[in-house]
Amino acid sequence: QQQVKQSPQSLIVQKGGISIINCAYENTAFDYFPWYQQFPGKGPALLIAIRPDVSEKKEGRFTISFNKSAKQFSLHIMDSQPGDSATYFCAASTIDFSSGSARQLTFGSGTQLTVLP
Amino acid sequence: GAGVSQSPRYKVAKRGQDVALRCDPISGHVSLFWYQQALGQGPEFLTYFQNEAQLDKSGLPSDRFFAERPEGSVSTLKIQRTQQEDSAVYLCASSSTGWSGELFFGEGSRLTVL
Repeated sequence: QQQVKQSPQSLIVQKGGISIINCAYENTAFDYFPWYQQFPGKGPALLIAIRPDVSEKKEGRFTISFNKSAKQFSLHIMDSQPGDSATYFCAASTIDFSSGSARQLTFGSGTQLTVLP
Repeated sequence: GAGVSQSPRYKVAKRGQDVALRCDPISGHVSLFWYQQALGQGPEFLTYFQNEAQLDKSGLPSDRFFAERPEGSVSTLKIQRTQQEDSAVYLCASSSTGWSGELFFGEGSRLTVL
């Protein structure tokens, strides 16, 4: 059962444009939503993450928008650059701070972003 | 090393062979995860260790899959009697905290079963 649905599967953007990737989740217990960036032949690397107590988080050119009622979150890449061309994965997890026990990440299926020069 | 190291990077096995994939996490990281990534898909959770204890193995697809981390550092994922559907990239990730938010992934071991 796919608990995190990601779209689009692929995205082509001109240099300087805005890239938008959307994700929707089903499990209301999720309370941590990271985005990972993966280049070919490499492992995923954390890009930016958000908790549900805020609706938006911005780090440089990357912004996460979060809509708790709709159970949706999105990644916006402003001023997209050819070096941003990669596969982007949204993910979701629960966190149990009281026990310190880990929760595994549930990933979306990925979006292959191509930024044209 | 500075990052998570996995070996071998590439492995070709004949159907029915056993394989072992190794992961060296970042020094001092207590949490270690194994994920399976099929071509064109997102990583899927296999198993999780906190130090030497395997706390969650709910993602292991069958009893042919076995993971260990006997001294709380290096981990090995073993797949017995490999099948073609086992072909995937196996990613190891480690974290210094008790929760899985900031995972540091290795480059993966690509397994191809013929």
